[in-house]
Amino acid sequence: GENVEQHPSTLSVQEGDSAVIKCTYSDSASNYFPWYKQELGKGPQLIIDIRSNVGEKKDQRIAVTLNKTAKHFSLHITETQPEDSAVYFCAANRDSGYALNFGKGTSLLVTP
Amino acid sequence: SAVISQKPSRDICQRGTSLTIQCQVDSQVTMMFWYRQQPGQSLTLIATANQGSEATYESGFVIDKFPISRPNLTFSTLTVSNMSPEDSSIYLCSVPAYGANEKLFFGSGTQLSVL
Repeated sequence: GENVEQHPSTLSVQEGDSAVIKCTYSDSASNYFPWYKQELGKGPQLIIDIRSNVGEKKDQRIAVTLNKTAKHFSLHITETQPEDSAVYFCAANRDSGYALNFGKGTSLLVTP
Repeated sequence: SAVISQKPSRDICQRGTSLTIQCQVDSQVTMMFWYRQQPGQSLTLIATANQGSEATYESGFVIDKFPISRPNLTFSTLTVSNMSPEDSSIYLCSVPAYGANEKLFFGSGTQLSVL
């Protein structure tokens, strides 16, 4: 099946620093790329997404970039805070439809 | 965003038994999705539940093991049948956002442990 690769699997940063999580996808038909944040005991929460006709999108401290040619997309979190600590998943839609293929997740720890 | 309620939030079950998980949404949606998240792993789509027709299952998942009901546009159930310890996972219901079908929202999940 089509895969979404996500790196790193774990990331530890100091409060105030930036965090970057990178993903690659293989399905050429993918045109929608969401990012989810999952806290312990909760379901994934959509935090930002990007469509293939856009190269970058920003929402306050988080931003996502997409390189469709290289099939790369990244999540950038600036001025990290302890409450940003969670598992982050990237995803890409399959066959331009609703079903999502997820990356394996990045466990982000922001230390005070 | 839709409000998605899942029941139960967690359960501990004996092998060989079955558990039915309920998903209730506060608005009508055409499609509902069931995902599985094995311990420390990513999310895997089990099936798409469509109202008025049979669910569509992904490769590796079969109706006999994971029967799904979709009696109306706001409700669905997923049953995990004849459970084994390998079925221990978080099971998540997901629905698309109104007017933006690509955006998927997830319920809080059902944490299932099979002994």
